[in-house]
Amino acid sequence: QQQVKQSPQSLIVQKGGISIINCAYENTAFDYFPWYQQFPGKGPALLIAIRPDVSEKKEGRFTISFNKSAKQFSLHIMDSQPGDSATYFCAASTRLGTSYDKVIFGPGTSLSVIP
Amino acid sequence: EPEVTQTPSHQVTQMGQEVILRCVPISNHLYFYWYRQILGQKVEFLVSFYNNEISEKSEIFDDQFSVERPDGSNFTLKIRSTKLEDSAMYFCASTEIAGINEQFFGPGTRLTVL
Repeated sequence: QQQVKQSPQSLIVQKGGISIINCAYENTAFDYFPWYQQFPGKGPALLIAIRPDVSEKKEGRFTISFNKSAKQFSLHIMDSQPGDSATYFCAASTRLGTSYDKVIFGPGTSLSVIP
Repeated sequence: EPEVTQTPSHQVTQMGQEVILRCVPISNHLYFYWYRQILGQKVEFLVSFYNNEISEKSEIFDDQFSVERPDGSNFTLKIRSTKLEDSAMYFCASTEIAGINEQFFGPGTRLTVL
């Protein structure tokens, strides 16, 4: 129940295209859903995050869509660029006091954006 | 911009040896975490630490692991007797008590056990 599922495992997109990564969870106690971007040899870096009281959040070319009833959320990268090539992890967390508990990561999606 | 730092960037050790991985969290953060990532796999939670004690640990964090905040800035992960399967990237993360509450990750330490 602590799992976060993620698909696809890898994704190849043409420059300028839309990259879509999908995730699902079971634990309804999760109340914070971050996406992390990881480049080779680096730590995960927070890209964008959403809380379940909204259905969509957009920051620049990155949009999270959230479906609370289906327990699914997705990341859309518009106008994908070669510099977006990285591994993307969806994740989930619960609030503990005034901070957040451990982050549960999905298995990751390796995105390659080709020119 | 404040960031989490980790040392060393790469540690090579012999099986059975003790290693200490070091982290300097962001200065006003009060919650600290260790995660590990075996090559090609997902990032896994190891332990969370607050107010000088462990608040939660995973099944991976057995008696061979320990954490410590020896002073006001460092946060360490010790593996007493390393095994081959401990080879992984180890990431430290920290969170401030109020505000956005996102976790900031360090660049990681690559541990190689021979």
